[in-house]
Amino acid sequence: KAGVTQTPRYLIKTRGQQVTLSCSPISGHRSVSWYQQTPGQGLQFLFEYFSETQRNKGNFPGRFSGRQFSNSRSEMNVSTLELGDSALYLCASSRGQATYNEQFFGPGTRLTVL
Amino acid sequence: AQTVTQSQPEMSVQEAETVTLSCTYDTSESNYYLFWYKQPPSRQMILVIRQEAYKQQNATENRFSVNFQKAAKSFSLKISDSQLGDTAMYFCAFIPMNYGGSQGNLIFGKGTKLSVKP
Repeated sequence: KAGVTQTPRYLIKTRGQQVTLSCSPISGHRSVSWYQQTPGQGLQFLFEYFSETQRNKGNFPGRFSGRQFSNSRSEMNVSTLELGDSALYLCASSRGQATYNEQFFGPGTRLTVL
Repeated sequence: AQTVTQSQPEMSVQEAETVTLSCTYDTSESNYYLFWYKQPPSRQMILVIRQEAYKQQNATENRFSVNFQKAAKSFSLKISDSQLGDTAMYFCAFIPMNYGGSQGNLIFGKGTKLSVKP
């Protein structure tokens, strides 16, 4: 069974640009969560989707948005990039509705904002 | 505020020895789930062990076991017979089950970097 995949793996953008990251969950998983990982703040929850609906959202500005498609694939978008958005963005999927089930993480997308 | 504290930023252990990683958390919820995740260098994060707060029995997974002290809000991880492949960043995390049964999402500690030395 293929694991969680994230594309692209690496991105370099400049301030003010926007970026879209993609996540394909494990087949059959309907919940997708996104996390931002930085050395200073650690791992912080961005948002979680289940069956195309955003169920939870973390404490991030409106520049961060996401969506989920009918095949459970998810995208997150960051508009008007800032230097502080440089981070590893992790996607995780889990089976069923319960987020307390094991979450399977992807390799992440390393975003660098110059 | 719901928080997780890992007081040991870095630890090292000799191969075959036992090491314990500390974790404390703060929540006002009475029901929640606790986790230890492992993130090896340049590799994906994987679940090590999971504990349901209403279960008093400590979870074990092969060489990994936890010491769950609910009253103290403590959830330490013990790794027995440490192996070189255990070298990784270890994150303690929990998911609160809010009043009414709705669930939150993973709240992580800052991590403990464990190095296993030959």
